[in-house]
Amino acid sequence: DTEVTQTPKHLVMGMTNKKSLKCEQHMGHRAMYWYKQKAKKPPELMFVYSYEKLSINESVPSRFSPECPNSSLLNLHLHALQPEDSALYLCASSQVLTGGAYNEQFFGPGTRLTVL
Amino acid sequence: QKEVEQDPGPLSVPEGAIVSLNCTYSNSAFQYFMWYRQYSRKGPELLMYTYSSGNKEDGRFTAQVDKSSKYISLFIRDSQPSDSATYLCAMKAAGTALIFGKGTTLSVSS
Repeated sequence: DTEVTQTPKHLVMGMTNKKSLKCEQHMGHRAMYWYKQKAKKPPELMFVYSYEKLSINESVPSRFSPECPNSSLLNLHLHALQPEDSALYLCASSQVLTGGAYNEQFFGPGTRLTVL
Repeated sequence: QKEVEQDPGPLSVPEGAIVSLNCTYSNSAFQYFMWYRQYSRKGPELLMYTYSSGNKEDGRFTAQVDKSSKYISLFIRDSQPSDSATYLCAMKAAGTALIFGKGTTLSVSS
């Protein structure tokens, strides 16, 4: 299984809602990532988990809260979002090499989020 | 100077043409080089992965890395309309985050 899956595919939420994005991989990868991608822009890194521990937080606002319940799952909890947070949210995973370096990343299909 | 530079295009070619996509970079510590293909409203798909310098071929795709010039290329032979997508170069040093180029939009007409 060489696939990263994400649910839901699409999400529309109001600024007062709380919702969660989910990501799953069964490739045995021990690093998982959240990216945000706006139209016609490259993906921007938000968070990196390595061995289920948060290792990188790219100064993301606290209205985005990541969680890694186990080595296969990654969640992104959303609360009090703004319309400018509307974007494609991508999950990715990779191996962690000896010495802590990360190998090539495999991306999921993304969740298209619209905040009204 | 940005860490990774990539011409956004758009690039339009006829079916069957050879396509050359390129990125330049400034950080000499980059060792891992990737090319992703992204169709509209989909996630990026890893096409090619190269460690350090050299060439790598996979079917119609060839990736080249020239670390002395800080320049990487992706060649697509016998291009097809299904190759129409945005191509993102990405690169990293050991233990660091992946840095993406802006992406080049390719259109192959039949």
